[in-house]
Amino acid sequence: GDSVTQMEGPVTLSEEAFLTINCTYTATGYPSLFWYVQYPGEGLQLLLKATKADDKGSNKGFEATYRKETTSFHLEKGSVQVSDSAVYFCALLRSSGGYNKLIFGAGTRLAVHP
Amino acid sequence: EPEVTQTPSHQVTQMGQEVILRCVPISNHLYFYWYRQILGQKVEFLVSFYNNEISEKSEIFDDQFSVERPDGSNFTLKIRSTKLEDSAMYFCASSRTPGGTDTQYFGPGTRLTVL
Repeated sequence: GDSVTQMEGPVTLSEEAFLTINCTYTATGYPSLFWYVQYPGEGLQLLLKATKADDKGSNKGFEATYRKETTSFHLEKGSVQVSDSAVYFCALLRSSGGYNKLIFGAGTRLAVHP
Repeated sequence: EPEVTQTPSHQVTQMGQEVILRCVPISNHLYFYWYRQILGQKVEFLVSFYNNEISEKSEIFDDQFSVERPDGSNFTLKIRSTKLEDSAMYFCASSRTPGGTDTQYFGPGTRLTVL
């Protein structure tokens, strides 16, 4: 079945460091891909998405490119801030019978220190 | 910006009791979902709902679970007889269409603690 694999956390960085969180997926076809973020004590917020191969999603300085050759959707940010500390979830959207469900990775906790 | 809301934010119940978790989806959305996240684990799909019917449910969504849209704005998840293993964060989500490029917007979650 479809699945999403993320790099294990926690990831600990200093402010202004470069961030990469790896995400790979297994799926039939080319599902839409998403990154959601969960700040402490809050729910899931959409960070960015890409709906087809080679698309680049971007938001708040974060970027991810849909790579079908490597079935990956790695999240990157050039310079992280303390406020980026959160749990990041990679997900794919699986369609079945015209209806959709999100399949999530395990999440990667990011801690950014001043 | 429109958002999905959920109540309560935290529910504590005794094992065997019934609980109802409430959600108000974004107003022009037609497709509704429940997911759950057991502490420290993945977010898992429970059920999707459209046009007053369940469109898909996971193997987790057994007979003790039910969903309902009792009026034009609320969407509820009922657990008839709670078990310890039902303790989790429950997220409601909604989307405008079921399409493969559409985005599901999540509420802040209800933390359910079963004692």
